[in-house]
Amino acid sequence: DAGVIQSPRHEVTEMGQEVTLRCKPISGHNSLFWYRQTMMRGLELLIYFNNNVPIDDSGMPEDRFSAKMPNASFSTLKIQPSEPRDSAVYFCASSLGLAGATGGNEQFFGPGTRLTVL
Amino acid sequence: GENVEQHPSTLSVQEGDSAVIKCTYSDSASNYFPWYKQELGKRPQLIIDIRSNVGEKKDQRIAVTLNKTAKHFSLHITETQPEDSAVYFCAASMGTGYQKVTFGTGTKLQVIP
Repeated sequence: DAGVIQSPRHEVTEMGQEVTLRCKPISGHNSLFWYRQTMMRGLELLIYFNNNVPIDDSGMPEDRFSAKMPNASFSTLKIQPSEPRDSAVYFCASSLGLAGATGGNEQFFGPGTRLTVL
Repeated sequence: GENVEQHPSTLSVQEGDSAVIKCTYSDSASNYFPWYKQELGKRPQLIIDIRSNVGEKKDQRIAVTLNKTAKHFSLHITETQPEDSAVYFCAASMGTGYQKVTFGTGTKLQVIP
């Protein structure tokens, strides 16, 4: 398997523009996570899906952020309109199944999208 | 919700020495504690994990310990090598079913040759 695939790898845009980040999870994984990483705030969970259904979006910072998972092999994170403070590395991760009686499962991260909003 | 604290934020050791990173968590229901390593410009990758029914786990030069009573867990790296230089994140998640992992703030480890 190619692992988790994200595109684009780098995105530079101007304030006010719409940004769409894409993720393809590992085939067979049914949990998908979007994270944002900055020096100031570390690694933050934005939203996660299970079986294509959003389970917890409490980490989504504002209404400008939205995420969808139309099928098991594709998810998008959209920022509209983008702002300079959205500049960060955005990671998508996937894992297999639900947490069992003794806890969760390994999350496999994609290579990330480095977003710069000017 | 869960809160994970990690110390130290930076750590420098001489090659061959040991390194220890400590984390505490707040929710006694947490039962899964993974550790991720992130090299500069790369993605986080799992290096070891421990579950609440185990007190210690070892994999070659790395080991993790878990103290459920005190709600803390630690990563131990022995015989450090320059390639161990990276940022290490601890994390905690709780319960069964849908899993939400809370990450610590990271420890930047530098191994000096």
